[in-house]
Formats: sequence, structure tokens, C-alpha cells
Amino acid sequence: QQPVQSPQAVILREGEDAVINCSSSKALYSVHWYRQKHGEAPVFLMILLKGGEQKGHEKISASFNEKKQQSSLYLTASQLSYSGTYFCGTDGSGNTGKLIFGQGTTLQVKP
Amino acid sequence: GAVVSQHPSRVICKSGTSVKIECRSLDFQATTMFWYRQFPKQSLMLMATSNEGSKATYEQGVEKDKFLINHASLTLSTLTVTSAHPEDSSFYICSATTRQGPGTGELFFGEGSRLTVL
Repeated sequence: QQPVQSPQAVILREGEDAVINCSSSKALYSVHWYRQKHGEAPVFLMILLKGGEQKGHEKISASFNEKKQQSSLYLTASQLSYSGTYFCGTDGSGNTGKLIFGQGTTLQVKP
Repeated sequence: GAVVSQHPSRVICKSGTSVKIECRSLDFQATTMFWYRQFPKQSLMLMATSNEGSKATYEQGVEKDKFLINHASLTLSTLTVTSAHPEDSSFYICSATTRQGPGTGELFFGEGSRLTVL
């Protein structure tokens, strides 16, 4: 089943923070986060494999609560380059390697 | 990171014709590749899992006779849209993982192929 992302869209000013949430109705083996610019392929941000794990990538970090079957992506001090659509991809099997993606969250960062 | 190349990036065809899209892993061997389809402003929908040397595994609702997938080698998977119709117009994206064995590693996406059927 497709994970649910919230919010659907966010508009920020440069330097502001944002949180994007991803929830699943089934148990998760891992959560992946990607960013896609218009007309381009998705670009990998990070994978979270363990319950309660947190990871960081410059000013972008994420957490994964395995028990709650939720993950959150944190964008701090946003930059114009952060604009795009963010997708979480979930792997509920741990065996097949295939991801089911959420519906996406569109982030627009304005000067 | 690993590189996945997709070709063609754009293709326009007439209704009823078949179109082949290639997905290559350039610097690693991909035993498994995935094909996704994305409509404008929508999410990536998994179509099928392509396994080297064996038949592809299709997701529910995806017509296997319409979307032919061949994974002939460890670096090449092809998707053929047979007898294409305007409703098949979409952005098709392949992905591959470098991870060997069970479990999901980082997915590397191709550049995508935008198909327009007239």
C-alpha cells in the first residue's frame, strides 16, 4: 500500500525550516527519501534502515520510527535549491528490494 | 554514485506502434532493475521488477503483454510498450540497486523517458 505523505505542499522563504512526514499502514523494513526536480529523475537523499534511526545530509536530516511506521524529513535553513518534490519510498518486505513511493510533497523555496 | 542511463529521453510515436526504452547500469552490475511510470504531478508507480535471466514480476494491474520487459544482461533491461495508445503517454523511469542479495539498497534512477503517443 502506498505510504501517505504530509503536507502535500509547502511554501517557504529562504532560511526557514520544514518537516515532511511519511506514514505507512504496514510494517516497514526501510524508508528512502528522494527529491525530484521538474522534468528530471528522482535524486537519492538517504535511506533509514533501523527503527528510531536518524540520519543527516548537510542541512537535511531524517528520522524513522519503526514502531509507528513513520518517517520524517527535516529541512533546516532551506535554500532555493531545495525546491522540488520530495518522495518517501518504503520497503515493507526487506527481501524484494522494491519501493512503493508516497504521493509526494511539493516544496517551493522563495527568496 | 552509480550511474544508470536511459534511452531515449524523449520519444513521440503514432498510435499502434511499439516503442522500446533501454535502461543501462554503466558502472555496476544490476541483477535487479525496476520500472516506474509517472503521470504529471503524480507519484512514481512501480510497474514491474526486472530480474536478470528470468521473467519480470509485474505489479497488479500492469498488463504484461503490453509492457514487455527483458533483462538480457546484468547491465541492460528494456521496456517495450507494444501497440501504444495515447493513454500510454507518460514518463517512464528505470532504477537499479547495487546491493547484492536481499534487502533494499540505494536506488539509482535513470534520466527517464518521456513517451508521447499521438
